[in-house]
Amino acid sequence: DAGVIQSPRHEVTEMGQEVTLRCKPISGHNSLFWYRQTMMRGLELLIYFNNNVPIDDSGMPEDRFSAKMPNASFSTLKIQPSEPRDSAVYFCASSGGGNSNTEAFFGQGTRLTVV
Amino acid sequence: GIQVEQSPPDLILQEGANSTLRCNFSDSVNNLQWFHQNPWGQLINLFYIPSGTKQNGRLSATTVATERYSLLYISSSQTTDSGVYFCAVKDFNKFYFGSGTKLNVKP
Repeated sequence: DAGVIQSPRHEVTEMGQEVTLRCKPISGHNSLFWYRQTMMRGLELLIYFNNNVPIDDSGMPEDRFSAKMPNASFSTLKIQPSEPRDSAVYFCASSGGGNSNTEAFFGQGTRLTVV
Repeated sequence: GIQVEQSPPDLILQEGANSTLRCNFSDSVNNLQWFHQNPWGQLINLFYIPSGTKQNGRLSATTVATERYSLLYISSSQTTDSGVYFCAVKDFNKFYFGSGTKLNVKP
């Protein structure tokens, strides 16, 4: 398996623009997580899905952020409109779902810069 | 949520030295992982170790779940070991990360 695949690797956008980050989880994994990493706050869980259903989005910072998982092999994280404080590295991770004790694997991340 | 504390926050080693990193967590967990974030930002899985001891080359890890801590041992450190080491614990479906130990191995 190629692992968790994220795109794009780098994104530079202007304030106010819409940004869409993409993630393809490992085949067979049914939990998917979106994390944000900043120097100030470290790794923060934004939202996670189990069997394509959003289970907990309490980490989503505000209504400008939304995430979808239309099928088991694809998820998006959208920011609209983007702001400079959204600049961070966004990671997607996947694992076996539910309470199963399986490893989580991370994608290479998307480094977002909002100017 | 579960609190995860890692120590030390920063560590500088001379190449060839050994080190122990610690992860304390505040509640029972059913999953614990160690990750290495390399200087390029990639999060690399080191160990999946909810309990017991595992070894992989120069690295080994021990988790004592009943006492709520895990240790990561790095022996004969190399410059490529530099980066940040994270401990993450899972409670039900959520992974909680510590703030990491930043390791700098000098040649």
